Parts: sequence; structure tokens; C-alpha cells
Amino acid sequence: GNSVTQMEGPVTLSEEAFLTINCTYTATGYPSLFWYVQYPGEGLQLLLKATKADDKGSNKGFEATYRKETTSFHLEKGSVQVSDSAVYFCALSINTGNQFYFGTGTSLTVIP
Amino acid sequence: KAGVTQTPRYLIKTRGQQVTLSCSPISGHRSVSWYQQTPGQGLQFLFEYFSETQRNKGNFPGRFSGRQFSNSRSEMNVSTLELGDSALYLCASSLADAGGGYGYTFGSGTRLTVV
Repeated sequence: GNSVTQMEGPVTLSEEAFLTINCTYTATGYPSLFWYVQYPGEGLQLLLKATKADDKGSNKGFEATYRKETTSFHLEKGSVQVSDSAVYFCALSINTGNQFYFGTGTSLTVIP
Repeated sequence: KAGVTQTPRYLIKTRGQQVTLSCSPISGHRSVSWYQQTPGQGLQFLFEYFSETQRNKGNFPGRFSGRQFSNSRSEMNVSTLELGDSALYLCASSLADAGGGYGYTFGSGTRLTVV
């Protein structure tokens, strides 16, 4: 079946620290991979995506590379800011439908 | 460009009642999906509509239903509410007519509390 596993939180970092949030997936077919971010009281916002193996998605200093050999899509940022505090969701969709499969979310808190 | 609009933002209902939630997608988006978000279960897929047809359905009881209108607006209905239905209900729209490479745009959600 299709599923996403992401690292448990919560994660607490100091400002300007390096961030990695691990995400691995299982999928039938050829998935597209996504990272979404949810700020308190809001819906999810698309952060970045990659639609095929070896693609790198990037946005607002965040990056993730679609690794088919390790079935991973880890989120990274070189220097986090307090404003990055949010919950991050890894997700996949498969080409046979428009259903997304989400990980459980990783809460990130960045302290000054 | 207006985003995905969900109404109402907050609802309080009593057990046994029914509720209807509304979602207006981004103009031009014909695919609308619904998710339930709870602290214990995370994001769970309810259903997806495209051109007024339900294409996918998640593993929820028949008390949960939805529909999509010709203007792509969608509603979901929950009948005979239970305490466990308390959740944030998120609507998402997409350009895609098949396949998920475009990604979703989410609304801010409707917070339903069942008492």
C-alpha cells in the first residue's frame, strides 16, 4: 500500500541551527512527494514538491530531494528562524488518483 | 486570486445532530478533497470529487457524505454526530484532473466541536 513515515517530534532548535526532518515512504506506482507546513490555527500550505526521482524541491530556504533508492524525501534547512515554528507534513500522491497520503506531522519550535 | 474558502470556521453541535460544511475551491480548480484532522489520527482522507463525481473515498462510515456542484463548490455532511467527530475538517482543491503532481491548496478549515 501507500504510506508515509516521518520522524517523531517535537523538535526544538535554536535560531540559525540546521534542520533535518526525515521522511520515508512506501508507494505503489510512481509517487509525487510533497512537504506541507501548518501554522497554528491555519490550514496546510504547500512548502515544496518533487515529482520524479532525483528532483530537488526548494522554497524559502527549505530543500528536499526525491531519493528513489532509499524511498526518502528528507526536509532540510541550513539556518532556521523563529518564524519557521510550525508543524511539517510529508505527503505523497500517486498518479492513479488525486488522493494524498500524509505523515503524522513533525512539530518544530525554534527558540531565539 | 482568492484561496480556498471554508465556512463556517467554527461550529459547536450536539451529539445526534447533523452538520453541513462548505468549501469553495480556487477558481478553475475542479478537484476538491476533504480531510479530517485530529491530534490522535492525524490527517485522514475523507473523499475527493472531480466534476461533480466522487472519485475516491476514505475509510469513514456512511454518516460522512459529500457532494460537488457544477461550479466546483463542495459540501460535506455528517449525520448523527458523535463526540469522536470533533476535529478540524480541511478542504483542499487542485488543478489536477488525474494524478497528484500539482499539489493541493488547502483552506483554513472548519473546527467542529461535538458536545
